[in-house]
Amino acid sequence: DAGVIQSPRHEVTEMGQEVTLRCKPISGHNSLFWYRQTMMRGLELLIYFNNNVPIDDSGMPEDRFSAKMPNASFSTLKIQPSEPRDSAVYFCASSSTGRGEKLFFGSGTQLSVL
Amino acid sequence: GESVGLHLPTLSVQEGDNSIINCAYSNSASDYFIWYKQESGKGPQFIIDIRSNMDKRQGQRVTVLLNKTVKHLSLQIAATQPGDSAVYFCAEKGNTPLVFGKGTRLSVIA
Repeated sequence: DAGVIQSPRHEVTEMGQEVTLRCKPISGHNSLFWYRQTMMRGLELLIYFNNNVPIDDSGMPEDRFSAKMPNASFSTLKIQPSEPRDSAVYFCASSSTGRGEKLFFGSGTQLSVL
Repeated sequence: GESVGLHLPTLSVQEGDNSIINCAYSNSASDYFIWYKQESGKGPQFIIDIRSNMDKRQGQRVTVLLNKTVKHLSLQIAATQPGDSAVYFCAEKGNTPLVFGKGTRLSVIA
């Protein structure tokens, strides 16, 4: 298996632009998580899905952030409009346990908003 | 141990020695714990996990110890190698998704 696949690996954009991050979970995994990592705040959970349904989005910082999972093999995290403080590494992770244990992480998207 | 803000605690270990990385967790209701290793430019990688009905679990060169009385978790790495240099995160889980600590940087001195 190729593992969790995220794209792009790096994204540099200007303030106000829309950013879309993509994730393909491991085949057969039924839970998907979006995390954000910064030096100041560490790894923070933004949102997670079970069986393509959003379960908890309380970690989404603002209405500028939205996430979708149209099918079991694809999810997006969108930021519109982007701001410099959104600069971070965004990770997608998936799990097969149903309880959100033993997450497998992708390589992340390094986002820089200028 | 855990860190606050920008400064990760750093553990420097001589190659071949054993490493012990500590973690204090916050939720007494947590029943699942896990350690991840993160190398520069990569995502966190699963190392080992343990449930609250156990106090010790061993893997290949790694051992996790859980002390629920004082809410403490540790990761022991035997015969530390240069490839073990990374940031190590503990995470806990109860009725909520995994909550990660800030991490500890392990630096292996060759």
